[in-house]
Amino acid sequence: QKEVEQDPGPLSVPEGAIVSLNCTYSNSAFQYFMWYRQYSRKGPELLMYTYSSGNKEDGRFTAQVDKSSKYISLFIRDSQPSDSATYLCAMFTSGTYKYIFGTGTRLKVLA
Amino acid sequence: AAGVIQSPRHLIKEKRETATLKCYPIPRHDTVYWYQQGPGQDPQFLISFYEKMQSDKGSIPDRFSAQQFSDYHSELNMSSLELGDSALYFCASSLGTSGRAKVGEQYFGPGTRLTVT
Repeated sequence: QKEVEQDPGPLSVPEGAIVSLNCTYSNSAFQYFMWYRQYSRKGPELLMYTYSSGNKEDGRFTAQVDKSSKYISLFIRDSQPSDSATYLCAMFTSGTYKYIFGTGTRLKVLA
Repeated sequence: AAGVIQSPRHLIKEKRETATLKCYPIPRHDTVYWYQQGPGQDPQFLISFYEKMQSDKGSIPDRFSAQQFSDYHSELNMSSLELGDSALYFCASSLGTSGRAKVGEQYFGPGTRLTVT
């Protein structure tokens, strides 16, 4: 079983919809949680990063962490066709230098 | 703002050849990570360096080696290439965990696409 599980999708939504992307993890030592966006043939781009349970908001994006359930989410409000990409969650533990990624969820926002 | 630079962007090699990929981290970043991403796969961690020392090792084959130099750039050396080594190789950089560094903010380069024929 992988340490980080993520539904690969694809997920298709109409423009303007609220999108919910999720990851679960098994290693309770993970302390830092990131969301990356990756366009085709490009490097992952850091969207949000958090280390505590609760919500963190940045524009149309909200990252949510529930450490008790080992579950993290990324919400995208008012989704746009330009949000169409693969979204990867990543986690690591302080004191290590190894990020563990989810498989990524492919999102398609239809105009 | 300066980003992570990788070279070359594309590389075509034959089986059993060697390849060297280079990574130049964001200025003042002291930690470098290498990842391999196959088609439709998540990035698989290979190896990382902090302050020129190897800090963590993932699923890196013995045929591969890497190092970080005094200017913090890193090179990934791949020998006896196999068809299965064809992938996107990403380098990422971040500040280490010392001081008031922004832990967790890892920035990726554009990747090197390696094709082994």
